[in-house]
Amino acid sequence: QQPVQSPQAVILREGEDAVINCSSSKALYSVHWYRQKHGEAPVFLMILLKGGEQKGHEKISASFNEKKQQSSLYLTASQLSYSGTYFCGTSGGYAGNNRKLIWGLGTSLAVNP
Amino acid sequence: DTAVSQTPKYLVTQMGNDKSIKCEQNLGHDTMYWYKQDSKKFLKIMFSYNNKELIINETVPNRFSPKSPDKAHLNLHINSLELGDSAVYFCASSQRLQGISEQYFGPGTRLTVT
Repeated sequence: QQPVQSPQAVILREGEDAVINCSSSKALYSVHWYRQKHGEAPVFLMILLKGGEQKGHEKISASFNEKKQQSSLYLTASQLSYSGTYFCGTSGGYAGNNRKLIWGLGTSLAVNP
Repeated sequence: DTAVSQTPKYLVTQMGNDKSIKCEQNLGHDTMYWYKQDSKKFLKIMFSYNNKELIINETVPNRFSPKSPDKAHLNLHINSLELGDSAVYFCASSQRLQGISEQYFGPGTRLTVT
């Protein structure tokens, strides 16, 4: 089942925070986050694995709630460079079934000056 | 050094033609993928190879045929092109299987079928 991302789109002013959610109806083993800028390829941000810790780097972090089958991506003090479409990809629900990611439809994020 | 490269970057062709897209990765990864991204930005996986073995073969028309001559290369051949094939095609690679390993994407090939 395709994960559901929310919101579909968000507009921020530089310095504001945002949260993007990714929910699945199935048990998850991993959640992946990617960012794609206009006209470019998706770029990996982070992976969260079942039983793992919250991940983050710089001002972008993420959490994974296994019970709720959802993940959230936190962008703090947003910068212009954060603009793009954010995709979550999920795989589940056990370590042996990690052949395929199911991708969400993306969340468009625009950061304005 | 480019990690994942694709050629060509742009491809404009007429309906009914046959075309190929080539992909190479120099990361030493075991797994490679082909994705199709349509105008609505939906990323759809088409195929995945692990050590030259086809492991994911999604429901795509059999006009699409992948070929992996070795671990570093994964090509995509498309027969009898149709208007609906117009999209951006991304190649990607990962060290291990998709669910547990980050993927590196190539720059994409924008295919336009007229």
